[in-house]
Amino acid sequence: DAGVIQSPRHEVTEMGQEVTLRCKPISGHDYLFWYRQTMMRGLELLIYFNNNVPIDDSGMPEDRFSAKMPNASFSTLKIQPSEPRDSAVYFCASSYQETQYFGPGTRLLVL
Amino acid sequence: RKEVEQDPGPFNVPEGATVAFNCTYSNSASQSFFWYRQDCRKEPKLLMSVYSSGNEDGRFTAQLNRASQYISLLIRDSKLSDSATYLCVVREGNYQLIWGAGTKLIIKP
Repeated sequence: DAGVIQSPRHEVTEMGQEVTLRCKPISGHDYLFWYRQTMMRGLELLIYFNNNVPIDDSGMPEDRFSAKMPNASFSTLKIQPSEPRDSAVYFCASSYQETQYFGPGTRLLVL
Repeated sequence: RKEVEQDPGPFNVPEGATVAFNCTYSNSASQSFFWYRQDCRKEPKLLMSVYSSGNEDGRFTAQLNRASQYISLLIRDSKLSDSATYLCVVREGNYQLIWGAGTKLIIKP
């Protein structure tokens, strides 16, 4: 199994630009999570899906952030417009039961 | 008050030594407990689940104390490769996990 796949691995963009992060979960997993990690705030849950349905988006910082899961094998996290304080590592994770398997993350830098 | 609290460290420990971390959680209804390991610039990976009776995996031992609401991780005969950040994780409901900020461990030769 290839594990959780995320793209891009690195993204550098300018303030105000739209950023789209992509995730392919492990086949058969019915939960998908989006996290953000920074030195200051640690690992924060942004949103999670069960069977492609968003269950809890209370961690999404503001309306500039949106996430979709159109099918069981693909999810996106979009930031529009991006701001320098959005700079972080964004992880996608999937699970079947309790253990969450993380992708390698996307390192986002907003200038 | 944070829901899951850990000493951020870093813990600087000589190779071969024994090191222990504690983690406290605030919700007495928490259902499951885990230790994850995160290497520098890598993703978190499950190290071990923590059971009420305690569990051991090679050099690693995890303990749960529900009465005092803390979880511990003991590493014996530490190796250079044990250097990482150890994340304490608690499940409260469904499959949403609450993450501690992590304890950084540095093993010195």
